Amino acid sequence: SQQGEEDPQALSIQEGENATMNCSYKTSINNLQWYRQNSGRGLVHLILIRSNEREKHSGRLRVTLDTSKKSSSLLITASRAADTASYFCATVLYNFNKFYFGSGTKLNVKP
Amino acid sequence: DVKVTQSSRYLVKRTGEKVFLECVQDMDHENMFWYRQDPGLGLRLIYFSYDVKMKEKGDIPEGYSVSREKKERFSLILESASTNQTSMYLCASRPTSNYGYTFGSGTRLTVV
Repeated sequence: SQQGEEDPQALSIQEGENATMNCSYKTSINNLQWYRQNSGRGLVHLILIRSNEREKHSGRLRVTLDTSKKSSSLLITASRAADTASYFCATVLYNFNKFYFGSGTKLNVKP
Repeated sequence: DVKVTQSSRYLVKRTGEKVFLECVQDMDHENMFWYRQDPGLGLRLIYFSYDVKMKEKGDIPEGYSVSREKKERFSLILESASTNQTSMYLCASRPTSNYGYTFGSGTRLTVV
């Protein structure tokens, strides 16, 4: 499978703590994207990192990409209860037409 | 605000029925996608379309077909619904290769 696989499957932290989730994949990619899904809703695009980039920031989000290890991490700093959601990575191959999603990390931020 | 709209949030159908799931986007995106999401299996691509009247099979097309007569509308058809098609169905669109998807809110389909 070319899917990204997130780790851990579930994460529970206190408000104000940082949350780190990881994604590993198998084949060369053009870019990797992170999405958030609130319970029972569609996915929302958070951030995209290209294969020639190593780190990217967006607000409280920090994404890293290590193409030699075929892995990425998403760090959410100073988490809030509203960050409670499932987080998915999607790997985009060079033909662009298909994104491969993992099964997600379920984040619970306790107030 | 740009949008992908799925016509139904919840749907209950009987085994053997023909089911239509509708998706409309207002962003003039060329590419549209149908995924299904099941616990432990993540999102799996059913079909996608990169232009009007064009379609390509995804990873799990069996039991499904699609229609794209207009750029803004992409329909998923379950020819004869079965209980193993009970799932959350997500429609998405995107403009170019380096942009992310915009997803609809999803349709939770139950086949009884």
